[in-house]
Amino acid sequence: QVQLQQWGAGLLKPSETLSLTCAVSGGSLSVYYWTWIRQTPGKGLEWIGEITQTGVTNYNPSLKSRVTILVDRSRDEFSLRLTSTTAADTAVYYCARRHNPTRGLEYWGQGTPVSVS
Amino acid sequence: DIQMTQSPSSLSASVGDRVTITCRASHGINNYLAWFQQKPGEAPKSLIYLASSLRSGVPSRFRGSGSGTDFSLTISSLQPEDFATYYCQQYSTYPHTFGGGTKVEI
Repeated sequence: QVQLQQWGAGLLKPSETLSLTCAVSGGSLSVYYWTWIRQTPGKGLEWIGEITQTGVTNYNPSLKSRVTILVDRSRDEFSLRLTSTTAADTAVYYCARRHNPTRGLEYWGQGTPVSVS
Repeated sequence: DIQMTQSPSSLSASVGDRVTITCRASHGINNYLAWFQQKPGEAPKSLIYLASSLRSGVPSRFRGSGSGTDFSLTISSLQPEDFATYYCQQYSTYPHTFGGGTKVEI
C-alpha cells in the first residue's frame, strides 16, 4: 500500500522560507518520479516541480528561482523549499508520485495548507 | 506553457445522467492527458491516464477519450458519489499544467 504523508509549517510571514516534507511508504524513491503541486481558489491547481528517480529536477519557470526539491533516500522522504514567500504563495500544497513518464500522477499526499501573512 | 481549457466550468446533473466534460490543449500533447476527481477537503484522485487508460479500482462508468488536442471524460451513469470537481492535466511538456476544473453538482 503506497502512502504519502506530508507535513510542514502552516503559517509563514512574508519573505520566510516554506519548507514541506513528504514521507513515502510502499514505494522506492529510487524508482518513481516525485512531484509537488499547489492549489489556490484563484489559480486552481499549479504544478510546482518534480524530481526524477535519477535526481533530475524540473521546475515550473514561474517559480524556478525560488524552488528546490530534494530527496533523502535514507529517510524515504522528499522535500520542497520555496524561498521569499509572499501572500501569493498561500495555498494547499500536495506531494504526489508519478509512476513513470507515461502513467501520470498516481498517488497524492493529504495536502498541507500554508498561509503567508 | 501548454494551456488546458476545460468546459463547462460547472454543470448540474441528476443521478443516472450521462455527463461529458471536455478538455482542450493549446498544443498537441501526445495523449499524455490525465483526469482527476476532487471532493471538498480531499486530495485529487487519479481516474484516467494516457487519455483513456482507466486507473485500477476506478469504476468502468468513467471513460476517457480523445487525441491530439481535444479530450473528454464521460461518466456513463452518474452516481451520488460522483458529485465532485474534475480536472484534466497534461504531462507531455514541462511545466505540466491543469485545466481550470469542472464542478459537477446535483
